[in-house]
Amino acid sequence: NAGVMQNPRHLVRRRGQEARLRCSPMKGHSHVYWYRQLPEEGLKFMVYLQKENIIDESGMPKERFSAEFPKEGPSILRIQQVVRGDSAAYFCASSKGEVQPQHFGDGTRLSIL
Amino acid sequence: SQQGEEDPQALSIQEGENATMNCSYKTSINNLQWYRQNSGRGLVHLILIRSNEREKHSGRLRVTLDTSKKSSSLLITASRAADTASYFCSLGQAGTALIFGKGTTLSVSS
Repeated sequence: NAGVMQNPRHLVRRRGQEARLRCSPMKGHSHVYWYRQLPEEGLKFMVYLQKENIIDESGMPKERFSAEFPKEGPSILRIQQVVRGDSAAYFCASSKGEVQPQHFGDGTRLSIL
Repeated sequence: SQQGEEDPQALSIQEGENATMNCSYKTSINNLQWYRQNSGRGLVHLILIRSNEREKHSGRLRVTLDTSKKSSSLLITASRAADTASYFCSLGQAGTALIFGKGTTLSVSS
């Protein structure tokens, strides 16, 4: 049973470009969460989605960031016009239900040149 | 959502010793979860303890929860070098995502 799959593992972008991060949840999981982690910090919640719906996006910047979890296919976290401050590790997690243990992917490390 | 605060921030021990880390919080909870993060990897769920439970075991891990003091502890017995990682607690509340503190960084030397 495959775990949460994130790709790419590493992504390098120049300032102003777009970054697309993908997350395939565990089989049978319909809840997806995105977190961001800066060096020496804990994970910070960004957005919580269920299939085709955004449940809580209170941790996601209002501009340049968007997330989706379509009926078919992976969840996508999209960052437009990236800036140096977007450099971080982005983790995706999935769960079966709301108050269930979350299973994490190994993250995408985004570097902005 | 509220976050837990782990203590100490860093802990260094020798193989075979026990490691204890604590988590304090300020709000009411449905459950409390402990996670481990190895360097460069995602978080791994260790134990979930519900608010009506006081103690839970999983292998060499023992978690206690004191809701009157709003605190939890994670004990790792007979530690191994492979236990070297950061450990995070997170509060589970219905309808919200997990909130993490800065964690406890555990170093186990052989």
